[in-house]
Amino acid sequence: DIQMTQSPSSLSASVGDRVTITCRASQGVRNDLGWYQQKPGKAPKRLIYAASSLQSGVPSRFSGSGSGTEFTLTISSLQPEDFATYYCLQHNDYPYTFGQGTKLEIK
Amino acid sequence: QITLKESGPTLVKPTQTLTLTCTFSGFSLSTWGVGVGWIRQPPGKALEWLGLIYWNDDKRYNASLRTRLTFTKDTSKNQVALTMTDMDPVDTATYFCAHLPDHYSDGGFDSWGQGTLVTISS
Repeated sequence: DIQMTQSPSSLSASVGDRVTITCRASQGVRNDLGWYQQKPGKAPKRLIYAASSLQSGVPSRFSGSGSGTEFTLTISSLQPEDFATYYCLQHNDYPYTFGQGTKLEIK
Repeated sequence: QITLKESGPTLVKPTQTLTLTCTFSGFSLSTWGVGVGWIRQPPGKALEWLGLIYWNDDKRYNASLRTRLTFTKDTSKNQVALTMTDMDPVDTATYFCAHLPDHYSDGGFDSWGQGTLVTISS
């Protein structure tokens, strides 16, 4: 199975900060990676697909980059509604695997 | 607009079989490339991929659950079902179904159901 290692596991930041979350794959997944945001009690919402493409309707402050084994999600200027847990998901090979999540909290 | 909704029991006894239904609209599971996935999340924990069923009835399962899991689809009703046997308290989780747009160009999940919490307890 491909292991997805996210870092950090938690992060405290302030409104307006620039934040970067990293996901590393145990083997190459090309660009078959998405980033998801989940708020408490809600379903995940896809923000980024194909590693760097912005999902329709998602604010442009979210961006993704990377290919192969290392990927990043960047939020350029944190807004109050961005405090949530973020997951990466690789769909290059079965079983699909999620990262363990990064909880983004208000400082 | 794509919508999905999970339904089924909220409480299941250990050793029993769980059946959940995902009812969807806004797409057809007979369209080439499309799939529906199942994902679960134990309380306070990370997401876990359970598997997928595709438009052509191909199915992929998480190997760790393969002997217990079965996916079926009813294209005419726009429904997918998950059956999991021999339930255990560790299977307590919120179960989600999700839309996979195109196996060949976008194998992720772009729309999700709201999820249903299933508790395994006697």
